[in-house]
Amino acid sequence: DTGVSQNPRHKITKRGQNVTFRCDPISEHNRLYWYRQTLGQGPEFLTYFQNEAQLEKSRLLSDRFSAERPKGSFSTLEIQRTEQGDSAMYLCASSFYLAAPWETEAFFGQGTRLTVV
Amino acid sequence: QKEVEQDPGPLSVPEGAIVSLNCTYSNSAFQYFMWYRQYSRKGPELLMYTYSSGNKEDGRFTAQVDKSSKYISLFIRDSQPSDSATYLCAMSSFSGGYNKLIFGAGTRLAVHP
Repeated sequence: DTGVSQNPRHKITKRGQNVTFRCDPISEHNRLYWYRQTLGQGPEFLTYFQNEAQLEKSRLLSDRFSAERPKGSFSTLEIQRTEQGDSAMYLCASSFYLAAPWETEAFFGQGTRLTVV
Repeated sequence: QKEVEQDPGPLSVPEGAIVSLNCTYSNSAFQYFMWYRQYSRKGPELLMYTYSSGNKEDGRFTAQVDKSSKYISLFIRDSQPSDSATYLCAMSSFSGGYNKLIFGAGTRLAVHP
């Protein structure tokens, strides 16, 4: 499978617990994006990496959220002390960036659906 | 007010109809305009991409961008039941980054046989 892979596909957790999601991008892609999508809304940008460097974080990414891409390959998104408002689909996308403005389209994974009860 | 406005629908049309989907936006810095299709419980997939103003056609799909009116459209000709999905418009700017996308809320489309 050469697409973007996200695990787990579904996660149900109790309020206050920590959760971690994993994203494996397309192998030759050097940029990796995280988006969040709530029901009936479009995805919202959270953060992105170029190789292992986290280049930008949205204001939506509170202190309870942390993302890493330690070796420039897979990425993890951790949410600490989950709240019911964190319930959403968390989408990962990857692309190949050469130099501005040359960048391929972002290919999205199927997402991790988080339900906080 | 959201940067990108999109009527959520739902939109229900018979097979073979021409479908028109639209978005308006407020940020004049947007230069890249995309349409994504999202099936239920799947990630978005890119359908059409347009840089700046103009039209682009790909098979049954035509994308139009009118930067003067801050208005973009996607037309689907000869719609098929397999076109039933949520259509998301998305935009980005050169300074913000090509794939740092601002999405509309999505329009749910149902094409019935």
